[in-house]
Amino acid sequence: AQTVTQSQPEMSVQEAETVTLSCTYDTSESNYYLFWYKQPPSRQMILVIRQEAYKQQNATENRFSVNFQKAAKSFSLKISDSQLGDTAMYFCAFMKLDGATNKLIFGTGTLLAVQP
Amino acid sequence: NAGVTQTPKFQVLKTGQSMTLQCAQDMNHEYMSWYRQDPGMGLRLIHYSVGAGITDQGEVPNGYNVSRSTTEDFPLRLLSAAPSQTSVYFCASRVTRGTYEQYFGPGTRLTVT
Repeated sequence: AQTVTQSQPEMSVQEAETVTLSCTYDTSESNYYLFWYKQPPSRQMILVIRQEAYKQQNATENRFSVNFQKAAKSFSLKISDSQLGDTAMYFCAFMKLDGATNKLIFGTGTLLAVQP
Repeated sequence: NAGVTQTPKFQVLKTGQSMTLQCAQDMNHEYMSWYRQDPGMGLRLIHYSVGAGITDQGEVPNGYNVSRSTTEDFPLRLLSAAPSQTSVYFCASRVTRGTYEQYFGPGTRLTVT
């Protein structure tokens, strides 16, 4: 079974600085997707960024980028120029592509606080 | 597009009561799922459906039932509520191919006393 591990329960960063959230996963599959979701205090789950395992190039979305190390099974999220609105719980998630089911497995989350 | 909607937003039940959490989506997504979120445990999959008439169990299905009679609706039934089912429940939907992006509802906070 696939597992997703986020080893940092909480992190803090000063506004305008850069922070990196860690995620590792365990799988024997070669065809999968990885995601980072953000959950602000409103509770809404918001997709931040997505990475296809077959792509070597790291995904970027504005201030958010990932460092995808397939051999090491690592998928960290870098937030540049942190803003107060980035304060949220961040979840790493794994999806094995096994047909129609393609279940999404979540890590336990990292609570990020951006300090003014 | 309303996206994924869930009702109610909050609910308090007594042990042994039953209730149905409603979920609907207007994006014509084939895949729908229910998760529960508990502190320190992330989101765990309860049940999922790949289309009308087809449902299957996730990681934590005990105490919950689902059905999928239409593409749009995917209700979650608690048969006999227990305090261990106190949680935040999320419904999600997506297409079965392509980007695999899941769209989440706003969640339901359920307390069982």
